[in-house]
Amino acid sequence: SQQGEEDPQALSIQEGENATMNCSYKTSINNLQWYRQNSGRGLVHLILIRSNEREKHSGRLRVTLDTSKKSSSLLITASRAADTASYFCATMDTGRRALTFGSGTRLQVQP
Amino acid sequence: NAGVTQTPKFQVLKTGQSMTLQCAQDMNHEYMSWYRQDPGMGLRLIHYSVGAGITDQGEVPNGYNVSRSTTEDFPLRLLSAAPSQTSVYFCASRTGGTQETQYFGPGTRLLVL
Repeated sequence: SQQGEEDPQALSIQEGENATMNCSYKTSINNLQWYRQNSGRGLVHLILIRSNEREKHSGRLRVTLDTSKKSSSLLITASRAADTASYFCATMDTGRRALTFGSGTRLQVQP
Repeated sequence: NAGVTQTPKFQVLKTGQSMTLQCAQDMNHEYMSWYRQDPGMGLRLIHYSVGAGITDQGEVPNGYNVSRSTTEDFPLRLLSAAPSQTSVYFCASRTGGTQETQYFGPGTRLLVL
């Protein structure tokens, strides 16, 4: 079974609105990462948050991590049509060997 | 740098055939991984390698073999293709140490009839 589960599975918003996606995971982690996948393309790294961090920002992205609840959220502010994509959380185990991905959130931003 | 490259981009196989999916990276990354992505799903780890000569199984290794004879290359072999292996396959690499961002190839779309 997959380590992470994203919620919601799909999200449709208007341009300019904020988009929030949540990720839950099962085991102890070294870090959690968020990736973006445009349709038919490979994945692109967005942001990494380590297990000893609670919040991180990068441009219009804000990520939070709650290790006690084994959950993370990704907030995209002032969304644009170009943000339309699937977003995946991925966890790196404490052995730091390989990433385990969640099932993803499909974001549709309407212009 | 070309980054992570994968060949072929698309392949059709018949049940029982074998083939090798190629993956190469020119970033001198220690870690390489193979994932499969089924429609509407996330990525599932097949095999990974933490360096030349060292490989290990991921979540869904059955039906696949890997080897890592060089730092640059990490081929994935399908021993006897089955329709359940129809998927998109992604190769990824990263440095060791504290830099843990993974770089992904463009993917190979495989159809097994």
